[in-house]
Amino acid sequence: GAVVSQHPSWVICKSGTSVKIECRSLDFQATTMFWYRQFPKKSLMLMATSNEGSKATYEQGVEKDKFLINHASLTLSTLTVTSAHPEDSSFYICSARVSGHGNSPLHFGNGTRLTVT
Amino acid sequence: KNEVEQSPQNLTAQEGEFITINCSYSVGISALHWLQQHPGGGIVSLFMLSSGKKKHGRLIATINIQEKHSSLHITASHPRDSAVYICAVYPTGNQFYFGTGTSLTVIP
Repeated sequence: GAVVSQHPSWVICKSGTSVKIECRSLDFQATTMFWYRQFPKKSLMLMATSNEGSKATYEQGVEKDKFLINHASLTLSTLTVTSAHPEDSSFYICSARVSGHGNSPLHFGNGTRLTVT
Repeated sequence: KNEVEQSPQNLTAQEGEFITINCSYSVGISALHWLQQHPGGGIVSLFMLSSGKKKHGRLIATINIQEKHSSLHITASHPRDSAVYICAVYPTGNQFYFGTGTSLTVIP
């Protein structure tokens, strides 16, 4: 079955530094990938839709300059949290759909737990 | 107002019990997902359905498009079923909405 690999699974960084999270579709091509944030005991919140070869589409309230998304190939999207602050500490998850299959199932990465000290 | 409402929010069951989790939504959709999130955070897609019923092992998902309602059933529940179950709907294109999840604990 389709697999999405997310790396790293956890990261601790200091305030002011930047952290990059990778999301890879291992055995399929994904024109579109999605980035979510999850607060404790809350559901997933869509942050942005990452489109291969073009700019990401950000949801309302998500700072595009803070959460940089790059989707340089059909199998890789990256989320960079820039100048991280403790309030950016959260669980970040990506998902992807097989390209060209309309409402095909979503496949999720295992998530990245970010702690900013 | 949430476009997707799940109930119950928390559920504790004895091993072997039949479990039902409900999802109601207020928008027109093209498909609905049931997702399972384990304590470590990883998410698995259990079902995607747009009509009728699907079954996979001990899991059954049903959807009634007219009533805008879906249910996830777990037969003969087991402690390894303990997880958060999330309902997600696709109104159109890439936009979709998540329910707040149902936290299930199955006690041996």
